[in-house]
Amino acid sequence: DAGITQSPRHKVTETGTPVTLRCHQTENHRYMYWYRQDPGHGLRLIHYSYGVKDTDKGEVSDGYSVSRSKTEDFLLTLESATSSQTSVYFCAISGQGITEAFFGQGTRLTVV
Amino acid sequence: AQKITQTQPGMFVQEKEAVTLDCTYDTSDQSYGLFWYKQPSSGEMIFLIYQGSYDEQNATEGRYSLNFQKARKSANLVISASQLGDSAMYFCAMRARQTGANNLFFGTGTRLTVIP
Repeated sequence: DAGITQSPRHKVTETGTPVTLRCHQTENHRYMYWYRQDPGHGLRLIHYSYGVKDTDKGEVSDGYSVSRSKTEDFLLTLESATSSQTSVYFCAISGQGITEAFFGQGTRLTVV
Repeated sequence: AQKITQTQPGMFVQEKEAVTLDCTYDTSDQSYGLFWYKQPSSGEMIFLIYQGSYDEQNATEGRYSLNFQKARKSANLVISASQLGDSAMYFCAMRARQTGANNLFFGTGTRLTVIP
């Protein structure tokens, strides 16, 4: 199994509070991604990274920011959580080229 | 722009029978890959099978095969000899070389239920 770990696995937070999700990999893969999964929408890309300090927006990036200061860590931050950000968040990693991506276990985030 | 369409929200199959899950895609890139993932009720995303756009043979992995019809832009997953453990959500996905960081785009998924 690919070495990819997400933390925390579950979190309940209040509207308006900041939240940071962490993705850690041990595979030294260049590309890292954050997705959210919602019923009826499949997985939608929030942000991605193609190297240390190199990040870009995905299709649903509003309200989210990311940082990658080391190859192995990719952080997703909700600056001020809203109920619409209640979702399951997946981190994924992949190597160079058109290869499969490997996913973390997911983080279930509930904003109340 | 890349787009993946899965038109079957839910499918039922009898145990030991074969089932086909549909996937169509749209891309202007010539170099791309198509993937299928399985998501059981436990929630993890499990990679099943990959088909490259230049591959002439359909991909196979054990009981999984991918029926790739490039002209029709379809990449259907065929599961042979269904087992109860195949009950799960199945996602079709695509990544293209010219898309930023080779991003993986997903369809909305098909929930497969295997009936004993």
